[in-house]
Amino acid sequence: DSGVTQTPKHLITATGQRVTLRCSPRSGDLSVYWYQQSLDQGLQFLIQYYNGEERAKGNILERFSAQQFPDLHSELNLSSLELGDSALYFCASSGPLGGEAFFGQGTRLTVV
Amino acid sequence: AQSVTQLDSQVPVFEEAPVELRCNYSSSVSVYLFWYVQYPNQGLQLLLKYLSGSTLVKGINGFEAEFNKSQTSFHLRKPSVHISDTAEYFCAVARMNRDDKIIFGKGTRLHILP
Repeated sequence: DSGVTQTPKHLITATGQRVTLRCSPRSGDLSVYWYQQSLDQGLQFLIQYYNGEERAKGNILERFSAQQFPDLHSELNLSSLELGDSALYFCASSGPLGGEAFFGQGTRLTVV
Repeated sequence: AQSVTQLDSQVPVFEEAPVELRCNYSSSVSVYLFWYVQYPNQGLQLLLKYLSGSTLVKGINGFEAEFNKSQTSFHLRKPSVHISDTAEYFCAVARMNRDDKIIFGKGTRLHILP
């Protein structure tokens, strides 16, 4: 158990819909990262938050947004969903000095 | 910017044989290096990490990796693989001393043959 909790584990939704994925980092970790894993693109970095502020942005679509709340949990919002958004979405967290990231079990999103 | 190249997308190897998974990185600054493993239907788990010090790093499950700064490589090795090592392995890099994003390679799928 990495200490990072993601909910839900599975999500099936229709095209055009909006979903919210939730992540609780390990106790004490200030950084939260979101990654998307698909068969054709591999593990893609989406966005990083550090102590409530956006720190780095990767290949995140404009239809996607995220935030980190005062209690340090984070949410990833995906809107106007397309079939191609079907993927595993991972959240990870790391401590205040950086170093390795600890991953949650992921949310498998299926868009039908 | 940092980048990671994993030279093999798939590596088949017989059980009890040695294996090497190759990783090269690119960065203009000093970096931390990591190997993660992903078992089927699971999240990523840290195998080992290089932060500083000895260039030979030992990790879990009998894996080790060697940091070679001149060749910008961080290859992962195991002297004798087991069927339970079947998984996908990811090499990753992050800027040193920064609470910075971790960039992953595309992964290498290790197939253990009986």
